[in-house]
Amino acid sequence: GQSLEQPSEVTAVEGAIVQINCTYQTSGFYGLSWYQQHDGGAPTFLSYNGLDGLEETGRFSSFLSRSDSYGYLLLQELQMKDSASYFCAVRGTGRRALTFGSGTRLQVQP
Amino acid sequence: NAGVTQTPKFQVLKTGQSMTLQCAQDMNHEYMSWYRQDPGMGLRLIHYSVGAGITDQGEVPNGYNVSRSTTEDFPLRLLSAAPSQTSVYFCASSPRTSGNISPEQFFGPGTRLTVL
Repeated sequence: GQSLEQPSEVTAVEGAIVQINCTYQTSGFYGLSWYQQHDGGAPTFLSYNGLDGLEETGRFSSFLSRSDSYGYLLLQELQMKDSASYFCAVRGTGRRALTFGSGTRLQVQP
Repeated sequence: NAGVTQTPKFQVLKTGQSMTLQCAQDMNHEYMSWYRQDPGMGLRLIHYSVGAGITDQGEVPNGYNVSRSTTEDFPLRLLSAAPSQTSVYFCASSPRTSGNISPEQFFGPGTRLTVL
């Protein structure tokens, strides 16, 4: 099966940089994804890492190290609207089912 | 495109009642899935489908049935509702890219279900 661990809460100030870590255990591995979810809303896709290294999309970057079963999401120039929950997710054997972590609640303070 | 739509938005059931949560997508995506999300928790996969006529169980399938007669629709049936099924239910879809299921899933707005 699959399991993922990420911190439950992170607090940062506007304009700062924050890193949300994710470690995973999975039988088979076909990539690590990140999703954002605002309170009362639906999850929305942020980024995907299929190979080791850094992927950058605007203020957000995501990193993967398959040898360490570890990844992180980096958010730069934090804005109040970035206050949300962030989930990492892995696709394991069979490449079909996506398993989500329990989420990290990010609170951005002024 | 409407994307992924779910109905109803809210539902209250009594224990033992049955109902169907509707999910439809107009993006011609092959892969569709149902998740439940309990307060302060991540999403747990209930059932998924890789195409019309093909369904499979996820992490928490007990008490739920699905069918996929068309590419567009993927309804979730609660057979006999229980208070433990009180949750927010999300439907999602993904296209197939380069022969594999895309890592990007598109989520519907969710159905908030309360079972008394």
